[in-house]
Amino acid sequence: QVQLVQSGAEVKKPGASVKVSCKASGYTFTDYYIHWVRQAPGHGLEWMGWINPNSGGTTYAQKFQGRVTMTRDTSISTAYMDLSSLRSDDTAVYYCRVVVIELDYWGQGTLVTVSS
Amino acid sequence: SYELTQPSSVSVSPGQTARITCSGDVLAKTYARWFQQKPGQAPVLVIYKDSERPSGIPERFSGSSSGTTVTLTISGAQVEDEADYYCYSAADNNLGVFGGGTKLTVL
Repeated sequence: QVQLVQSGAEVKKPGASVKVSCKASGYTFTDYYIHWVRQAPGHGLEWMGWINPNSGGTTYAQKFQGRVTMTRDTSISTAYMDLSSLRSDDTAVYYCRVVVIELDYWGQGTLVTVSS
Repeated sequence: SYELTQPSSVSVSPGQTARITCSGDVLAKTYARWFQQKPGQAPVLVIYKDSERPSGIPERFSGSSSGTTVTLTISGAQVEDEADYYCYSAADNNLGVFGGGTKLTVL
């Protein structure tokens, strides 16, 4: 079965960077885009971008361009989301997501807390 | 930019029909998905391709589309359906967008 397992919670200081991982299993990793979505406390879902694991090509939401980098390591079926210049309003749960044959699968979420 | 607009809240009594709308120009050209999210949990897909229901999702969940509006209908809403619901779509170049979310109260 399709499964996405994310790395653990992080606490970062303002101005730092964070890298969240998402390990995929149960399907061919290079066949389907991985999306990243975040949710600030008490707020809605926010789409950040995607990576094509086959080519490494990416598309980012305009809001995050210049601060986000999505990469992957096909040898271990893992995608990464790196967010830099962190601010307090980047405090959120970050999810990876994949759509396999029309069905959605989500990671368990990674809480990133930005605090001085 | 692409936007999807949902009502912030909908309230029904158990057994009644709940309808949640989602509007946006992009919906005239692409399919929508609906997600259910309960507190502390990851979102769960309840409708895709405007009206298709994944296996395991109760039949009381249905979706429809008309022009630039899609609607999630829960026929005979139950207390366990109380959750936040989000619509989602992707533009031509696969730029994703979520609606702002609708809090469904069933009481």
